[in-house]
Amino acid sequence: GAVVSQHPSRVICKSGTSVKIECRSLDFQATTMFWYRQFPKQSLMLMATSNEGSKATYEQGVEKDKFLINHASLTLSTLTVTSAHPEDSSFYICSADAGTGDYGYTFGSGTRLTVV
Amino acid sequence: SQQGEEDPQALSIQEGENATMNCSYKTSINNLQWYRQNSGRGLVHLILIRSNEREKHSGRLRVTLDTSKKSSSLLITASRAADTASYFCAMRSNDYKLSFGAGTTVTVRA
Repeated sequence: GAVVSQHPSRVICKSGTSVKIECRSLDFQATTMFWYRQFPKQSLMLMATSNEGSKATYEQGVEKDKFLINHASLTLSTLTVTSAHPEDSSFYICSADAGTGDYGYTFGSGTRLTVV
Repeated sequence: SQQGEEDPQALSIQEGENATMNCSYKTSINNLQWYRQNSGRGLVHLILIRSNEREKHSGRLRVTLDTSKKSSSLLITASRAADTASYFCAMRSNDYKLSFGAGTTVTVRA
């Protein structure tokens, strides 16, 4: 079945540094990928829609200069958290539509970001 | 994008019992999907029901959709310890975005 690989699974960084998270579709091409953020014991909040070859579209309230998204190929989207602060600590998850009809979207395994 | 509401927030049942959780949403949808999330992990797709469908089955899962009431339910029959997880409904709108419900945490006791 469709697989989305997300790396790293965990990352700890210092305040003020930037962190890049990768999301790859392994066996299908994804013109669109989605990035979510999840706080502990809460639901997933859509942050942005990543579009191959064009600019990402961000949800209301999400700072595009803080969360840089690049979708340079049909199999790779990256989310860079710039100048990270402790409040950016969260679980970030990507997903893509493999176009498999009734099988919904395929999610990566998530990245736990801790900013110290 | 809309967020859905789910109830109950948490559910604790004995192995072998059924678990039912409900989801309500506000605006029109293309389809509604249910996902499972084990602690600290990604989401696993369980079942998708289209807006013109009323009921769907997959193994021990049964999902219903009432578009007039903007609600859906997920039933897990004959629960197992491995079913312990958080369950989320997700509404897909015509712009391909998914909006998630608040989630139901299910604990299955052995």
